[in-house]
Amino acid sequence: KTQVEQSPQSLVVRQGENCVLQCNYSVTPDNHLRWFKQDTGKGLVSLTVLVHENDKTSNGRYSATLDKDAKHSTLHITATLLDDTATYICVVGDRGSALGRLHFGAGTQLIVIP
Amino acid sequence: EAAVTQSPRNKVTVTGGNVTLSCRQTNSHNYMYWYRQDTGHGLRLIHYSYGAGNLQIGDVPDGYKATRTTQEDFFLLLELASPSQTSLYFCASSVTDNNQAPLFGEGTRLSVL
Repeated sequence: KTQVEQSPQSLVVRQGENCVLQCNYSVTPDNHLRWFKQDTGKGLVSLTVLVHENDKTSNGRYSATLDKDAKHSTLHITATLLDDTATYICVVGDRGSALGRLHFGAGTQLIVIP
Repeated sequence: EAAVTQSPRNKVTVTGGNVTLSCRQTNSHNYMYWYRQDTGHGLRLIHYSYGAGNLQIGDVPDGYKATRTTQEDFFLLLELASPSQTSLYFCASSVTDNNQAPLFGEGTRLSVL
């Protein structure tokens, strides 16, 4: 059973627009949640990590929130650029050490058009 | 510079073929992982290791063997490849603390005809 669900599956926005990606999960325990960016044909690159209840993080034009009660996270991208075209993957870790498992969502494919 | 290097980047083999995927990390990380990525699925863990000579079974291990020969090198072996193993394979490395992001290689695309 999929424990990390991402929505939408795909999204097309115009350059300069903002967008919001959603991640809902049922992983228990939920030690931390990380967002990755995966460019086409490339590996995953970490954007941000959220650890605590109601955490908010910011990394340039990327910002993220975590609601552990609702088991829900959002990734906001402001003023999108063509280079933001990628798949964004939500990952929930069930422990704070590598002894735990990482649970991966299937990703949201974002396409930014001129 | 921290890096995870996979080879080959692309591989085509036939059903029943023997394939070895290689991964080298220069990060002095203890943990190394092999994942497969298929459309509509999140990455799924095949095997992992927490040091040279160690091997742990992941969530989808059937049809795969792995070997960690050194701290740096982790290999994935498909001894009798099947079309269901056509996939994009990623290697990753990490430190013990999962709050530090694992580092991923750029992937190996394997096609089994």
